[in-house]
Amino acid sequence: GEDVEQSLFLSVREGDSSVINCTYTDSSSTYLYWYKQEPGAGLQLLTYIFSNMDMKQDQRLTVLLNKKDKHLSLRIADTQTGDSAIYFCAESIDTGGFKTIFGAGTRLFVKA
Amino acid sequence: EAGVAQSPRYKIIEKRQSVAFWCNPISGHATLYWYQQILGQGPKLLIQFQNNGVVDDSQLPKDRFSAERLKGVDSTLKIQPAKLEDSAVYLCASSRNQGGESPLHFGNGTRLTVT
Repeated sequence: GEDVEQSLFLSVREGDSSVINCTYTDSSSTYLYWYKQEPGAGLQLLTYIFSNMDMKQDQRLTVLLNKKDKHLSLRIADTQTGDSAIYFCAESIDTGGFKTIFGAGTRLFVKA
Repeated sequence: EAGVAQSPRYKIIEKRQSVAFWCNPISGHATLYWYQQILGQGPKLLIQFQNNGVVDDSQLPKDRFSAERLKGVDSTLKIQPAKLEDSAVYLCASSRNQGGESPLHFGNGTRLTVT
């Protein structure tokens, strides 16, 4: 089946690390993505990882993929108040054509 | 490069009225998507185009929703007649092609309120 699940809320203090977790069910996932959505805006691509990788680092962002457990995480180092937003996990699955399925999003609150 | 353009930004209509949204994708992007995002939820795919052909419209409520991309560039999404449960943000996205290595780029969306 096609399902992406995320916890709904995360609250951290400024300067701490944030870890946002996601699980997915479809084993035919090819790419997995993290998007950020600020109020009143569309989704902005943060980073993505190919399904045969287990880690990707991009400045303050680290993505970890455990394909066996179908678990994806996004770690934001030195979290800033500007990181407050909703973070969506998404998977691209090959159904003959490619389809991108999104989770419900994790709302990150950063306390000064 | 210019991003995905959508209009209008906001629309308020009464139930049973009709409404149309417009989207202009990033230049050169062959694949265009319309997503519906209900408050507190993730985006749900309504329809996916590859150039001017429909790839996936399995989640589109075809009794009231229609979409077209006649020249393979910009696209319109129409709702006729609207219901209260259609209140949502309608997001347009585009990608270079259909492959998973082509991530989606989103517009800012149209917020629809049906009263």
